[in-house]
Amino acid sequence: TQLLEQSPQFLSIQEGENLTVYCNSSSVFSSLQWYRQEPGEGPVLLVTVVTGGEVKKLKRLTFQFGDARKDSSLHITAAQPGDTGLYLCAGAHAGNNRKLIWGLGTSLAVNP
Amino acid sequence: GAGVSQTPSNKVTEKGKYVELRCDPISGHTALYWYRQSLGQGPEFLIYFQGTGAADDSGLPNDRFFAVRPEGSVSTLKIQRTERGDSAVYLCASSLGPSDSAEAFFGQGTRLTVV
Repeated sequence: TQLLEQSPQFLSIQEGENLTVYCNSSSVFSSLQWYRQEPGEGPVLLVTVVTGGEVKKLKRLTFQFGDARKDSSLHITAAQPGDTGLYLCAGAHAGNNRKLIWGLGTSLAVNP
Repeated sequence: GAGVSQTPSNKVTEKGKYVELRCDPISGHTALYWYRQSLGQGPEFLIYFQGTGAADDSGLPNDRFFAVRPEGSVSTLKIQRTERGDSAVYLCASSLGPSDSAEAFFGQGTRLTVV
């Protein structure tokens, strides 16, 4: 059973386009993290969101945590080829924040 | 070193053999995690150490898997009687302390192939 559903699974877009990646669950999470992973590397943390409705921005990336803390989105504005990679969301439940539950990831390709 | 180091980077072994995967965390990081990532999947939690003790080993799939961290630094993940289904990238991560807000830094992983 996949507790965190990510969509889309694959995305190929042209440089300059905008995109949104979704992470959905029926479970409530105490926090949710977004990671980016390149081939042959481990995941690198982009952001952690902990408050329902929270919005965080990291340059051209905007992250939002749903009001009920069951879902999250990642929006990239004016995508660049350097944004290419696997984007993973991971959630933690209250009382067990060290054991992350991971989504399957969204593989993004930004073409020049 | 500056980051989490995992060795070997690649390991090919025959079905039924025993393997050890090593993780050197960032110096001073007391928390250490092992994850397994199969092709096309997100990472799957295996075990979490705080210091020398395994604080949560609920993700270990069966008793063929075991991990140690005897001195609270380097950790070794041990797999006995390997099976083809054990083939995956094994990721190690470390963080500064037990705080839930402490960022975890991942190593590059060990790609294990059981043939």
